[in-house]
Amino acid sequence: AAGVIQSPRHLIKEKRETATLKCYPIPRHDTVYWYQQGPGQDPQFLISFYEKMQSDKGSIPDRFSAQQFSDYHSELNMSSLELGDSALYFCASSSERGLAGGRRYEQYFGPGTRLTVT
Amino acid sequence: GDSVTQMEGPVTLSEEAFLTINCTYTATGYPSLFWYVQYPGEGLQLLLKATKADDKGSNKGFEATYRKETTSFHLEKGSVQVSDSAVYFCALGGRDDKIIFGKGTRLHILP
Repeated sequence: AAGVIQSPRHLIKEKRETATLKCYPIPRHDTVYWYQQGPGQDPQFLISFYEKMQSDKGSIPDRFSAQQFSDYHSELNMSSLELGDSALYFCASSSERGLAGGRRYEQYFGPGTRLTVT
Repeated sequence: GDSVTQMEGPVTLSEEAFLTINCTYTATGYPSLFWYVQYPGEGLQLLLKATKADDKGSNKGFEATYRKETTSFHLEKGSVQVSDSAVYFCALGGRDDKIIFGKGTRLHILP
């Protein structure tokens, strides 16, 4: 079965550079989520998109932006990179939106992009 | 807000030992509960899930039961293997569809 694809798998950037991470959801999934996992940390929610519109925002720095395109793939753009941005960035996709009062969804995670800022 | 608390690691066991990793949650409404596993150098894999009270999720010999009365979702396995060495994350499906993770528990299995 097709899974979530993320590219690149590894990325090395210098401070103050920019980076773009890409996520290709499972076919027919309409919702994409981005998470950041620092070294030895638990994944933290950054931002999500449903039907190409931002649906929720977490602890995403103002230096980061993201969007979802008409083919449902998503890109996370990171500017003015800092050493602390070094982390594993996960994308997840799902096909069911949580309804008010009920949560019956499952997110499928990609393999992650490991970003190293030097 | 919604949160997940799981036992701190690392947990070190001998092969074939019984495993329990405790997890409790705080949430409004009726969240879905998950256990994810992360093997060294790899991404997150969904290990098992439960979507309502008293549901039991199971996979690869691991089990966890959704206990609403104790707000718990403890992970258990009767006989661990060296290949089970990984970091295990308890998580819940929180408000607005995002997943909230616990801090993770690193498991080491000795041969």
